[in-house]
Amino acid sequence: DTGVSQNPRHKITKRGQNVTFRCDPISEHNRLYWYRQTLGQGPEFLTYFQNEAQLEKSRLLSDRFSAERPKGSFSTLEIQRTEQGDSAMYLCASSLDGLAAQYFGPGTRLTVL
Amino acid sequence: AQSVTQPDIHITVSEGASLELRCNYSYGATPYLFWYVQSPGQGLQLLLKYFSGDTLVQGIKGFEAEFKRSQSSFNLRKPSVHWSDAAEYFCAALGTSGTYKYIFGTGTRLKVLA
Repeated sequence: DTGVSQNPRHKITKRGQNVTFRCDPISEHNRLYWYRQTLGQGPEFLTYFQNEAQLEKSRLLSDRFSAERPKGSFSTLEIQRTEQGDSAMYLCASSLDGLAAQYFGPGTRLTVL
Repeated sequence: AQSVTQPDIHITVSEGASLELRCNYSYGATPYLFWYVQSPGQGLQLLLKYFSGDTLVQGIKGFEAEFKRSQSSFNLRKPSVHWSDAAEYFCAALGTSGTYKYIFGTGTRLKVLA
C-alpha cells in the first residue's frame, strides 16, 4: 500500500499529558499537510510543509502544538499539555505540489479524558 | 473571506434514486475544487477534482460534478445511488495563489434507504 499512513489510529490520554502522532506521506510527494476535524465539521487546516520547511501555520495551532518534518519524509505532530478541547480526528495529507490534489491518511483519533 | 458552503447537512435517498449534493464557494478568483467522501472513522477519499476546462468532470464510483461559474457552484451528482454510497461528503476549495490549504465545507451526510 503506497497511500498516506498515520500512527497511531487511536490515542486516549489524560488531560495534561503530551502526545505525538506520526504521518508517512506518499513517497514522491513533497507537500505534507495536517488538518483537525471535530464531530460534524469539515477538516480545518493546521499547518503544511514543503519538504522539510514548515511554510504556514494556522492560528488554530497554539503554542502547545508543534509539527516537524525533519528529513522531508515523515512528519510528527506533538501536542503538549493536552486539553479536552484537543479531542478530535487529526488528519494528514500529502500532495505532489501546492496546486495538486491532496491525498489523506486514515487519521488519528485523539480522546483527552 | 474565502468560504465553502454545503447547504444540506443530511440527505436521504432511496437506493437506485439519483443524487445531487450542493456546494457553493466564495473566493476572489475561481479556486480549484474537489469532492471527497469519508466513511465512518476513516480518512477522506478523493472522488473528483476540477482545475479548469470542461465544466463537467467525471470521478470514481460513478460520480460526476458540474462547475458553474455564474452560480459559484460545484454540485456532485450520481444517477443511481447504491447502499454503499452512504457516507459523508465534503466539498473543498484550493486557492490558486498564496496559500495552498484546502477550505472545506461542513459536509453532507448521505443516508441510503434500501
